[in-house]
This record gives sequence, C-alpha cells and structure tokens, in this order.
Amino acid sequence: QSALTQSASVSGSPGQSITISCTGTSSDVGGSNLVSWYQQHPGKAPKLLIYEVDYRPSGVSNRFSGSKSGNTASLTISGLQAEDEAVYYCSSSTATSTTNTLGYVFGTGTKVTVL
Amino acid sequence: EVQLVQSGAEVKKPGESLKISCKGSGYNFANFWIGWVRQVPEKGLEWMGVLYPGDFDTRYRPAFQGQVTLSADKSINTAYLHWSSLKASDTAIYYCARSLEEAEDVDAFDIWGQGTMVTVSS
Repeated sequence: QSALTQSASVSGSPGQSITISCTGTSSDVGGSNLVSWYQQHPGKAPKLLIYEVDYRPSGVSNRFSGSKSGNTASLTISGLQAEDEAVYYCSSSTATSTTNTLGYVFGTGTKVTVL
Repeated sequence: EVQLVQSGAEVKKPGESLKISCKGSGYNFANFWIGWVRQVPEKGLEWMGVLYPGDFDTRYRPAFQGQVTLSADKSINTAYLHWSSLKASDTAIYYCARSLEEAEDVDAFDIWGQGTMVTVSS
C-alpha cells in the first residue's frame, strides 16, 4: 500500500483556479469511488473537503470540486483565496480492503501557496 | 455540537506502554466508525486503522497490525489507541476521526479530534 502520488506544491494568485492531482493505480484510485480530499492548515487537524470523488459535505465551499479520470483524481480550487493556503491530501480505498484489513491510503500531500 | 476530544500530549520512554483516548459527543457514538491517523511532524498522513464501536469491528492497515490496538468503551463514548511497547519511531501526532455516514461502511471522515502528540525518547 504505497502512498498515492501528489505534486509537492502548487501555487496561484488570488481569484485564479488551480488543480491538484492524485495519481494511483487500478488497485486504488482507478478502481474506487471512495476517493476523498482533505485540507490541513499548519498545526490543525485535517478537514474533509470532498468524498466519493465529487461530493461536498455540507458547509464546504462550492469553490472546491473533485473529479477522477482513470487512475488520477483531481481537486480543483476556483476563485483562490488566501485562506486556501494549506496542504491538501487525497485518500482512496484500495483493493486490499477486507473485513479484517483497512485498505485505505493517503496521498503524499500538496502544499498550496497563494501568491 | 458534534466533536471528538482527544487526551493530552504524552512523553514516554522506549518500551513503555501507552493508551490515548478520543471522546465523542453530540452524536450516537456507537453508529459511526472511528479512524486513527498518524502524522510524523512535518510529514504526511497515514491511516492506521478503524473501529466500529457498535460491534467492535476493527480493521488495521497491514503496517500497523500487531503494533497497536484499537478499542472502545461505548458506555463512555470513548475510543482508544494502545501501544504495549513504544519505539522512538512512534513519535508523531495521532488523530482520531469520525466517519461521515452513520452505520455505513468505511468511507470518508468528517469530524476530527484535535490530535495527540506522542513523544518517545530515552
């Protein structure tokens, strides 16, 4: 269960849109609809932004959207704001999930910088 | 308010045992999975395992199987993460988190505890 691959950093100016990618394999991202995205500010707990590829929990801004194509999931942040500066992690279930084994893996994390 | 409150920071020596806690409030504790996540300072997140308090169904990621034990006490709405013999490499922040959906299988986690810093040093 290797970590999913994310680019180390992405930056953008306020108001722009940016996309963060999360690449796995057919055994995780490509074969799962249980792909989530989390935002983590320094010193804080992660916050759920997207679940089941493209669903937003109540209370999460509609500036955040998720999608998936093949083995790669993506998180798009539109109308970038200063408060979006954080680390973003994807998470996916994996084919190794059983009744006794947790088959979930996080991505390596992407640092978003607002210029 | 739905929340998870974790126990405070711990400083331990290698070989010592430790149990940290995660107390849920504002919801039906038995009906939502509790997940545990490790974060080495300045590093990424790692899933450790999950537990369903309703029937104590427990699943571990292979890397953590045999290294930690998850448990819960439904009567006091509290989940636990236990080590029988700590190592220096266990130094990290540990988060508990609650599953998004009630009585559904493991999916996403929307409510998180504040984290517990565990330092293991001789």
